[in-house]
Amino acid sequence: GQNIDQPTEMTATEGAIVQINCTYQTSGFNGLFWYQQHAGEAPTFLSYNVLDGLEEKGRFSSFLSRSKGYSYLLLKELQMKDSASYLCAVRGKAAGNKLTFGGGTRVLVKP
Amino acid sequence: DTAVSQTPKYLVTQMGNDKSIKCEQNLGHDTMYWYKQDSKKFLKIMFSYNNKELIINETVPNRFSPKSPDKAHLNLHINSLELGDSAVYFCASSQVSEGSGNTIYFGEGSWLTVV
Repeated sequence: GQNIDQPTEMTATEGAIVQINCTYQTSGFNGLFWYQQHAGEAPTFLSYNVLDGLEEKGRFSSFLSRSKGYSYLLLKELQMKDSASYLCAVRGKAAGNKLTFGGGTRVLVKP
Repeated sequence: DTAVSQTPKYLVTQMGNDKSIKCEQNLGHDTMYWYKQDSKKFLKIMFSYNNKELIINETVPNRFSPKSPDKAHLNLHINSLELGDSAVYFCASSQVSEGSGNTIYFGEGSWLTVV
């Protein structure tokens, strides 16, 4: 089975940096995803890590350490529109490309 | 054009009714999914189909029956609706192939309220 933990809520100031941590336990690992979900909308893909290290995409970066079962999503130069939930998801090795999601971290950006 | 589209977006119905949610994707993907997001915002997989074949069937009551007439469509039929079925149901799709991220793309969700 899989177990994914991430903080429930974080607050940060516009222009600042926020780091959202995600720890996971899984019987087989085949990639970690981060999704952004605004209230009342669908989750949208942000990043994908399958090898250790940092993946950078504009203001967003994601890091993975497979040996530690740990990832983080880094949001730089926060904007008000970044207020959303951020979902960490792990794909196992079973058939079907199944993603197991954490409960999401709600980020509130304040002026 | 919407990549993954599902209808209806909102559905309010009484306990005991039967209802369907339709989903279509125009991304050419070979795999489609149904996810359920409850009031606590946990997103959990229900079913996965690959080229019309059922691949994943999580512990879901058999009142829920998915149907995939072709690889671009995956519909969800729910019989004898219960209050606990109230949730947001997301359809999704991906292309499952070696060496790719197999990123899953979600539809806009269907808000089901059972009264």
